[in-house]
Amino acid sequence: DAGVIQSPRHEVTEMGQEVTLRCKPISGHNSLFWYRQTMMRGLELLIYFNNNVPIDDSGMPEDRFSAKMPNASFSTLKIQPSEPRDSAVYFCASSLGLGLALEQYFGPGTRLTVT
Amino acid sequence: TQLLEQSPQFLSIQEGENLTVYCNSSSVFSSLQWYRQEPGEGPVLLVTVVTGGEVKKLKRLTFQFGDARKDSSLHITAAQPGDTGLYLCAGAGEVDSWGKLQFGAGTQVVVTP
Repeated sequence: DAGVIQSPRHEVTEMGQEVTLRCKPISGHNSLFWYRQTMMRGLELLIYFNNNVPIDDSGMPEDRFSAKMPNASFSTLKIQPSEPRDSAVYFCASSLGLGLALEQYFGPGTRLTVT
Repeated sequence: TQLLEQSPQFLSIQEGENLTVYCNSSSVFSSLQWYRQEPGEGPVLLVTVVTGGEVKKLKRLTFQFGDARKDSSLHITAAQPGDTGLYLCAGAGEVDSWGKLQFGAGTQVVVTP
């Protein structure tokens, strides 16, 4: 099993540019999660989907952030326009569903640097 | 928002020593998970506890869920350099938000040979 796949692994961009992060969940998993990790704020849940439908986006910091899941095998997180404070490691995770105590499988993350 | 506080923030010990990491909250959780994260990688699940007072053992790691399901601890016996990493606890709330994990800030553990 390939696990959760994220691309790119590293992204460096200038302030004001659009950034798109990509995620391929584990095949057969019905739920997908986007997290952001920083030293100051730790690991924060941004948004999660179940069966390709957004369930809770209350963690999305601003309207500059948007996420889509057009099908069961692909999701994107877009930041437009990007700002230096968006610099962080962004993780995608997937799980079999939203049941109690289900394991979330994390991808390797995308390290985003906005200059 | 249910907050999870982890302590200590950082722990440096010698190989062979024991250590305990704590995860506390004022809120009740339906379940609590412990993850370990190594540099450049995503967190990996170690254990899930769901019953108040539950104790689970994974080789040299012992996990306990508090009776009131508000706190948890992770104890490592005879730590090894391979135990080095960021240990994160994560709690799940009510039934309609089981998938919405709240993560603690983490405890960075360094085990030196």
